[in-house]
Amino acid sequence: DGGITQSPKYLFRKEGQNVTLSCEQNLNHDAMYWYRQDPGQGLRLIYYSQIVNDFQKGDIAEGYSVSREKKESFPLTVTSAQKNPTAFYLCASQWQGTGTDSNQPQHFGDGTRLSIL
Amino acid sequence: AQSVSQHNHHVILSEAASLELGCNYSYGGTVNLFWYVQYPGQHLQLLLKYFSGDPLVKGIKGFEAEFIKSKFSFNLRKPSVQWSDTAEYFCAVISSGAGSYQLTFGKGTKLSVIP
Repeated sequence: DGGITQSPKYLFRKEGQNVTLSCEQNLNHDAMYWYRQDPGQGLRLIYYSQIVNDFQKGDIAEGYSVSREKKESFPLTVTSAQKNPTAFYLCASQWQGTGTDSNQPQHFGDGTRLSIL
Repeated sequence: AQSVSQHNHHVILSEAASLELGCNYSYGGTVNLFWYVQYPGQHLQLLLKYFSGDPLVKGIKGFEAEFIKSKFSFNLRKPSVQWSDTAEYFCAVISSGAGSYQLTFGKGTKLSVIP
C-alpha cells in the first residue's frame, strides 16, 4: 500500500547530540513537509521541499537541517543547536498538481516522538 | 484504534453562503482537537484548536468550531464564506494518556467557493 513511513516512533536524544528522523514515501509525491507539535499548540512548519535537491525553511527552522537527495526521502536532523527538541514530529507529503488539481490533500506519517534524556 | 471522520469529501458553495464541515472522532478519552486549512500550493495552517474550557472555539478568518463531547464531534463553521476560503480543511485529534500518544488526521474536505 502507498503511504508515508516515519521512523522511529519514539526517539531519545542526549544533550549535545544530533539525531535524524526518517521519512519515506512511496506515493510519488513531489512535495514533502516536516512539522513540529508541542503541547498546547498546533503544528508548526520546520522545513519543506517541493522538488528533489531543493528545500525551504519554514517558520521554525533554526536548529534543524534537512536533505532531499531522493524524491522518496526527506530526513530531518535535529541538531545540538536546537535547545528545546522535545516534541512530536510529523512528516507529510503532497502531490503538486496544477490548475483545478492544485488543491491536493497532504498525506501524513504516524509521527516521531522525540524526548531528551 | 482512534479514527477521525470528515463527512464531506468536497463541498461547493457560493460566496456569502454559510459553511459547516463535519468532524467526528472515535476516541472516548481526553482529546485535543484541531482544524487546519491548506490553501492551494501551501502547507497546513492552524485555524483553531480546542484543549479545554469553552466548547465554542473561535479561530482565525471568522471560523469557529463547537466541541460536543456527547456526540464526539468538532464541526467547523463560518457564517459567510468568501472565494478566498477555497482550500482543503483537515480535522485532527490528539489523544494521550498512559504513556501513549496518537495524532490522527481526517482525510480532509475540499471546499470550493464560487464567486
